[in-house]
Amino acid sequence: NAGVMQNPRHLVRRRGQEARLRCSPMKGHSHVYWYRQLPEEGLKFMVYLQKENIIDESGMPKERFSAEFPKEGPSILRIQQVVRGDSAAYFCASSSGQKETQYFGPGTRLLVL
Amino acid sequence: KQEVTQIPAALSVPEGENLVLNCSFTDSAIYNLQWFRQDPGKGLTSLLLIQSSQREQTSGRLNASLDKSSGRSTLYIAASQPGDSATYLCAVSERNNDMRFGAGTRLTVKP
Repeated sequence: NAGVMQNPRHLVRRRGQEARLRCSPMKGHSHVYWYRQLPEEGLKFMVYLQKENIIDESGMPKERFSAEFPKEGPSILRIQQVVRGDSAAYFCASSSGQKETQYFGPGTRLLVL
Repeated sequence: KQEVTQIPAALSVPEGENLVLNCSFTDSAIYNLQWFRQDPGKGLTSLLLIQSSQREQTSGRLNASLDKSSGRSTLYIAASQPGDSATYLCAVSERNNDMRFGAGTRLTVKP
């Protein structure tokens, strides 16, 4: 049973470009969470999705960031017009239920030049 | 707003020592608390999950305790090994399933 998969593992973008981060949850998991870890800071919650629905996006920046979890395929975290401050590690986690253990992927490290 | 604090920020011990990592949180209305391990360049590994109704959980050389009323949790590591060197993160889950993380404790176990 493969764990949570994220790709790419490393992503380099220039300011103004778009970044797309993908997360494939563990088999049987329909709940996905995105977290961001800025340099020298702890992990911070961004958004919680359950197939085709955004349940909680209280941690998402108001502009440029969006997330989706379609019926088929991975969850996507999309960052438009990236800025240097977006450089961070983005972690995805999945669970089988709202209060169940979250299993984390290896993360995507985004570097904005 | 929930705030999670971990002390110390970094810890270095000789191999074989028992050690305690501390985590405190400001809002006791939590569903559960997890301790994670993060190795450089890798994702998080969940070590122990304590439900709000529980007082402690044990796994091998690890023991985690939870005192909701005082807003504290400790992670006890017995007979530390160099392979235990990593960053340890504490996280609390709240009513909306948001998970709040501490900044972590960077542990180094010297051979």
